[in-house]
Amino acid sequence: QSVLTQPPSVSGAPGQRVTISCTGSSSNIGAGYDVHWYQQLPGTAPKLLIYANSNRPSGVPDRFSGSKSGTSASLAITGLQAEDEADYYCQSYGSSLSADVVFGGGTKLTVL
Amino acid sequence: QITLKESGPTLVKPTQTLTLTCTFSGFSLSTSGVAVGWIRQPPGKALEWLALIYWDDDKRYSPSRKSRLTITKDTSKNQVVLTMTNMDPVDTATYYCAHRLSGSLPPSFDYWGQGTLVTVSS
Repeated sequence: QSVLTQPPSVSGAPGQRVTISCTGSSSNIGAGYDVHWYQQLPGTAPKLLIYANSNRPSGVPDRFSGSKSGTSASLAITGLQAEDEADYYCQSYGSSLSADVVFGGGTKLTVL
Repeated sequence: QITLKESGPTLVKPTQTLTLTCTFSGFSLSTSGVAVGWIRQPPGKALEWLALIYWDDDKRYSPSRKSRLTITKDTSKNQVVLTMTNMDPVDTATYYCAHRLSGSLPPSFDYWGQGTLVTVSS
């Protein structure tokens, strides 16, 4: 059980907008620690999608956006495409565990 | 460009020690701010962070695995080595090494190796 909670799955039709939540606590996200997001396509290594809550690395489409509020963060994907079908992970700091890095449990995005 | 590649045994027996090597290029672990981490992923399960080593030899470990892990670097060879003792079948996973995005805190990982699947079985 991760200290960062994500829904196991979300789905959406092509062209739609979906959001994936990442719920933490006052000891990690709520304490002001940044949240990062990764996309993992089937059979591949994770790819950094969003860093420091809302920043996109070079090459990541602006269809992907991140936000943070209180003890939660969210990843939004607009204009959903078939190739967006993947697992998505949030990541932050786990101060309650004294862990520099903690990942959420992951969310499987299905494009209908 | 930055690349990383993991190497090591694909099969280890229970109770044995696992040694994995991450060989990288495109950056130096002697440069201020640079760090390399290890993350693993059991089949069908979530990512789990294991360890991180900084350019100044600062080492960080997952608290739940710390007693079993050692991370070291060889700057001259552009390598980072992770050892994990007392391997168990539940440690079967794909092990990744990854480059820390400079300046990110908590660390984020912007470049990843392809991963290496390690199976623990007698």
